Amino acid sequence: EVQLQQSGPELRRPGSSVKLSCKASGYSITDYLMHWVKHRPEHGLEWIGWIDPEDGETKYAQKFQSKATLTADTSSNTAYMQLSSLTSEDTATYFCARMYTTDTGYFDYWGQGVMVTVSS
Amino acid sequence: DIVLTQSPALAVSLGQRATISCKTNQNVDYYGNSYMHWYQQKPGQQPKLLIYLASNLASGIPARFSGRGSGTDFTLTIDPVEADDTATYYCQQSRNLTWTFGGGTKLELK
Repeated sequence: EVQLQQSGPELRRPGSSVKLSCKASGYSITDYLMHWVKHRPEHGLEWIGWIDPEDGETKYAQKFQSKATLTADTSSNTAYMQLSSLTSEDTATYFCARMYTTDTGYFDYWGQGVMVTVSS
Repeated sequence: DIVLTQSPALAVSLGQRATISCKTNQNVDYYGNSYMHWYQQKPGQQPKLLIYLASNLASGIPARFSGRGSGTDFTLTIDPVEADDTATYYCQQSRNLTWTFGGGTKLELK
């Protein structure tokens, strides 16, 4: 059974950074691109970027180019996203999501989400 | 960027039909496929895939859900609506290996 297990909630000060994890089970992360999505109830879902865990290639939405850094550790079958220079605008729930194939572009499995709160 | 526009809310009665629309500012068709997908998200949960490539029902999704459309106009239909269907529904496009979501439509019961 495919599962994406994300790390627990985070509380950070403005200006700091946070690294979120997404551990895959039931498949090898090198076989699929992993995407990250931001959710704020008043803003809906925002696509952040993807990583190809096989070779480390990444692509980011322009808005998140200097905010997010995606990495992956194939030995632990885990994807990571680091968010830097945190502000209150980064307070949100972040999801990792597996993309089925590049030919289709939809997300068939999602992590449960991790809440990041940025507050002084 | 391809922009997806959804109405913010829709209220329907139990047992009736709900039709949720999604309009794009660019054509998301390519070589016979429409790169439009639909998700359901309930509060505190992750999104769940309902429909992929405009009209294909995802695994485990009841046939009450259906999708149609092409080009720049797409709809998700739920017929008949059940109480468990109250949620926010998002469309998402993946044309040209770019990914954007609509703003979401919150489905409520009358």
